[in-house]
Amino acid sequence: AQTVTQSQPEMSVQEAETVTLSCTYDTSESDYYLFWYKQPPSRQMILVIRQEAYKQQNATENRFSVNFQKAAKSFSLKISDSQLGDAAMYFCAYRTRNTGNQFYFGTGTSLTVIP
Amino acid sequence: ETGVTQTPRHLVMGMTNKKSLKCEQHLGHNAMYWYKQSAKKPLELMFVYNFKEQTENNSVPSRFSPECPNSSHLFLHLHTLQPEDSALYLCASSARSGQGALETQYFGPGTRLLVL
Repeated sequence: AQTVTQSQPEMSVQEAETVTLSCTYDTSESDYYLFWYKQPPSRQMILVIRQEAYKQQNATENRFSVNFQKAAKSFSLKISDSQLGDAAMYFCAYRTRNTGNQFYFGTGTSLTVIP
Repeated sequence: ETGVTQTPRHLVMGMTNKKSLKCEQHLGHNAMYWYKQSAKKPLELMFVYNFKEQTENNSVPSRFSPECPNSSHLFLHLHTLQPEDSALYLCASSARSGQGALETQYFGPGTRLLVL
C-alpha cells in the first residue's frame, strides 16, 4: 500500500533562514509524481512544487526546492529565505500513473516563521 | 484565489438534517474529488469522479452521497450525519489522467462542517 509519512508535526524557522521539511513515502511503483502543498490558516490549499519520479533533477520554484532521493523514497522540501507568509501547514502528496486518480497525503507539518 | 469554489464555507447541522455541499471548478478539468480533512490525520479521499463517472469510493458511509451532474460541478449530499463527521470538506479538481499534464490537484477553500 502507498503511504506518505511526514515525521515532523511542527517546525519553526527564523525569518530569512532556511528550513527543510521531511517526507518519505512507501511504494512499489516506479512511475509516480510527488507534490508539496501549502495550506495557510483558514486559506486554500495551494501547490508549492511538484516532481516527476523519472526526472533526476530536483525541482525548484523560486525559494522552494526539493531533495528527491528515489532510492531512499525521500522527498524533502527546502524553503530558503523564509518569510512570514510561509507560515502554514505543508502537506506532502504522492500519486502514481497506475492508481487512477488516487492521491495520498501525509499528515502535514505545521511551519511557524519567527520574526 | 483558484478556479475551484465551494459553498457554503461554514455549515452547522443537526444529526437529523439534510444538507448539500457544492463545488464548482472553472479550470476545464475533468476529474473532481471530495476529501475529508480532520485534525492530525492525513487527508481522506472520499470520492473521485472522472468525466462525471464515479471511479473511487473509499468505503465512505452511505450518509454521504456524491453527485456529479457535469465535469464542472460536484455535490456532496449529507443526511443523518454523526458528530464525528465534523471536519473540513475539501473539493479538488485535476486534469484527467492521461492528458499529459502533471495532473496536479487544485483545491477549493473547503466547507467547515460542524455536526451537533
